Amino acid sequence: GENVEQHPSTLSVQEGDSAVIKCTYSDSASNYFPWYKQELGKRPQLIIDIRSNVGEKKDQRIAVTLNKTAKHFSLHITETQPEDSAVYFCAASDYLNSGYSTLTFGKGTMLLVSP
Amino acid sequence: DAGVTQSPTHLIKTRGQQVTLRCSPISGHKSVSWYQQVLGQGPQFIFQYYEKEERGRGNFPDRFSARQFPNYSSELNVNALLLGDSALYLCASSETGTGNRQPQHFGDGTRLSIL
Repeated sequence: GENVEQHPSTLSVQEGDSAVIKCTYSDSASNYFPWYKQELGKRPQLIIDIRSNVGEKKDQRIAVTLNKTAKHFSLHITETQPEDSAVYFCAASDYLNSGYSTLTFGKGTMLLVSP
Repeated sequence: DAGVTQSPTHLIKTRGQQVTLRCSPISGHKSVSWYQQVLGQGPQFIFQYYEKEERGRGNFPDRFSARQFPNYSSELNVNALLLGDSALYLCASSETGTGNRQPQHFGDGTRLSIL
């Protein structure tokens, strides 16, 4: 099965700075990589995703890059705001014996944005 | 439109008891996945269902079982509860059963505490 490593486990930045979270995956067959934001006591919320036929995707202050050769992908948040403070999870598609797929998650990064 | 809904929100059980958790997917979504999230970790895959068929199962003991109903809602059952079963149980739905590159949207989860 898939194995996803995520770094760093905690990240503290000043408001306005950029934040980068990195993930690596093990299965070269994985082709879908979503990122979720989870605030304390709330559901994981899909914030951006990327498919393996794309190298980069942007959505306002958030961007994700994918390097298939190196099997790593990263989340970039620019102009961070205090409301960006949360735990961020990366995930990679993991193929089941049935031919369908589910998600394997990293252990999460706690991002703290100080005013 | 309503998102993924789960019930109950919180549940307290004692060791050895049985529990049933419920999930209603987003309208139009036919696939439901269950995840266990232990404090400080990413969600871990338990089951995936599509059109009432089990499509995949994670590395969980047989005490865990699930099913999906004709209206695509789902139940997760856990028998002979152990202290280690204390966690947030998340349900996620996606449009199709392929799972491949399909965004999964999570509910708020059921917080299960075992005493």
